[in-house]
Amino acid sequence: EVKLVESGGGLVQPGRSLKLSCAASGFSFNDYWMGWVRQAPGKGLEWIGEINQDSSTINYTPSLKDKFTISRDNAQNTLYLQMSKLGSEDTAIYYCAEWETLDYWGQGVMVTVSS
Amino acid sequence: DIQMTQSPSFLSASVGDRVTINCKASQNINKYLDWYQQKLGEAPKLLIYNTNSLHTGIPSRFSGSGSGTDFTLTISSLQPEDVATYFCLQHNSGYTFGAGTKLELK
Repeated sequence: EVKLVESGGGLVQPGRSLKLSCAASGFSFNDYWMGWVRQAPGKGLEWIGEINQDSSTINYTPSLKDKFTISRDNAQNTLYLQMSKLGSEDTAIYYCAEWETLDYWGQGVMVTVSS
Repeated sequence: DIQMTQSPSFLSASVGDRVTINCKASQNINKYLDWYQQKLGEAPKLLIYNTNSLHTGIPSRFSGSGSGTDFTLTISSLQPEDVATYFCLQHNSGYTFGAGTKLELK
């Protein structure tokens, strides 16, 4: 069974950083592009970015390119999202997903940016 | 950047009704348009990929059509379990989601 489990969310103060993790199991993690998507409360989905199998290609939505960094550790079957300079606009549920067939998604982790 | 305009934003229909949801791209995206279903508190679920290909395990009452800039998701006979929010996603150039259509039972 394919599983993607996000962790690392919670309450963070404005201006601070936070790193999310996504633990993958049930498929050959190192064979697939992976991605992150977020959803602000009551809003639609926003693509954050994607990373290829060996981390040689990483693409971001332009508005988040200078704030967010995607990485992966294939030995640990884990995807990461490093977020910096967080603001209230970054409050959202963050989903990791297998980004080739876009078939497998995690359940999401909530990040709340507030003082 | 490609913008996706999804309509309607809200839809109320009865069981058995034919339901259509539309997405319009700001430029030609060829066939690269997917549809997702998201139920309350759950992750999005892929329904249709590349305009009209039904994903594995998805009921045949779901179908997709369109090309270029105009795309449609159709539910041929609405079932109670179809109550959800539906999103389109273009992946011709980067990735852009539509704003979503909330589907409720009348």
